Amino acid sequence: RKEVEQDPGPFNVPEGATVAFNCTYSNSASQSFFWYRQDCRKEPKLLMSVYSSGNEDGRFTAQLNRASQYISLLIRDSKLSDSATYLCVVNQAGTALIFGKGTTLSVSS
Amino acid sequence: DAGVIQSPRHEVTEMGQEVTLRCKPISGHDYLFWYRQTMMRGLELLIYFNNNVPIDDSGMPEDRFSAKMPNASFSTLKIQPSEPRDSAVYFCASSLGQGISAFFGQGTRLTVV
Repeated sequence: RKEVEQDPGPFNVPEGATVAFNCTYSNSASQSFFWYRQDCRKEPKLLMSVYSSGNEDGRFTAQLNRASQYISLLIRDSKLSDSATYLCVVNQAGTALIFGKGTTLSVSS
Repeated sequence: DAGVIQSPRHEVTEMGQEVTLRCKPISGHDYLFWYRQTMMRGLELLIYFNNNVPIDDSGMPEDRFSAKMPNASFSTLKIQPSEPRDSAVYFCASSLGQGISAFFGQGTRLTVV
């Protein structure tokens, strides 16, 4: 079983839609959680950290369920510029960041 | 800061040749990571360093791969001899502390023919 699993998509949504991505992780010792964004042929960049209580950054909301080992990302009012691949990332003590394979989002006008 | 700097950006080489990828981390960062990305396998951790010391190289595919970090501002990933299946994008990343988000370089796109 892969350590971090994501639905690869693609998710094709119209502008203004709300879209949610999910991610599961296998190691219950995981301590830090992030969402990264990767544009085509570019490097991954941090979108937001994920905190136990859930957190919001503008149109983006991240949630963590430690009991179910589940992370989510909600994007409201999708923009064309949100089209990218979204990578779920976890970290355990003593290890490096472990990346999911990503979920591809395509927002159309 | 200029961010993580990798060179070259693109490399095309023939099978059997030696390939050296270079990375300059963000100044002051004490962790450096090498990742490889392919369509099939996504982003895979190859090796990471803490304060120039290799901590975990279990992701290095085989003995053909080696990595060094002679000082805090420079690291290399070497493949010798290269094979077509090594074709991928190789990313270097650095972070200040562990469990902290990492910053990535622009990557080296390697093609082995």
